[in-house]
Amino acid sequence: QKEVEQDPGPLSVPEGAIVSLNCTYSNSAFQYFMWYRQYSRKGPELLMYTYSSGNKEDGRFTAQVDKSSKYISLFIRDSQPSDSATYLCAMGLGNEKLTFGTGTRLTIIP
Amino acid sequence: DVKVTQSSRYLVKRTGEKVFLECVQDMDHENMFWYRQDPGLGLRLIYFSYDVKMKEKGDIPEGYSVSREKKERFSLILESASTNQTSMYLCASSPFKSRKYFGPGTRLTVT
Repeated sequence: QKEVEQDPGPLSVPEGAIVSLNCTYSNSAFQYFMWYRQYSRKGPELLMYTYSSGNKEDGRFTAQVDKSSKYISLFIRDSQPSDSATYLCAMGLGNEKLTFGTGTRLTIIP
Repeated sequence: DVKVTQSSRYLVKRTGEKVFLECVQDMDHENMFWYRQDPGLGLRLIYFSYDVKMKEKGDIPEGYSVSREKKERFSLILESASTNQTSMYLCASSPFKSRKYFGPGTRLTVT
């Protein structure tokens, strides 16, 4: 079993829809949780960063962490074609090592 | 804005060649990292560095070495390139624990 599981997709939704992306993990010691967005042929870009259970909102993006269920989510409201990318979840122990999910490829259809 | 740059976007090398990948960051970050990214495997940590002249092995260091002579520059070296090292290589830097900023990546093909 992988330490971090992420559905690879691909996921296609119409413009304006709410998108839900999810990761599950097995290591209860993870303290930091991140979402990265990666456009084709580019490096990952940090989107959301949180270190506690609950919700964190930034514009159209909401990151949710449920440590009791070992489950994190990223919600995108009013999705736009520019949101089409691969989304990577990542988790850290508090040292410098991060464990990444394999990424979910998202396409927003105009 | 944090800027992490990598010396090449695309590179084609022959088996057995010595390959140098360079990474430079302009934000005075202490920590720098090299990852490789492969379909279905995600990002895997090769090496990282906490400070100048310091290095730590990541999860897949075999076949690679690194050099950090200056704080802003972190080099990845493939001593003798092999076809299984064909991959996307990503450099990252970090000002504190876990929050990493990535460069654009180098797509390396070894033939």
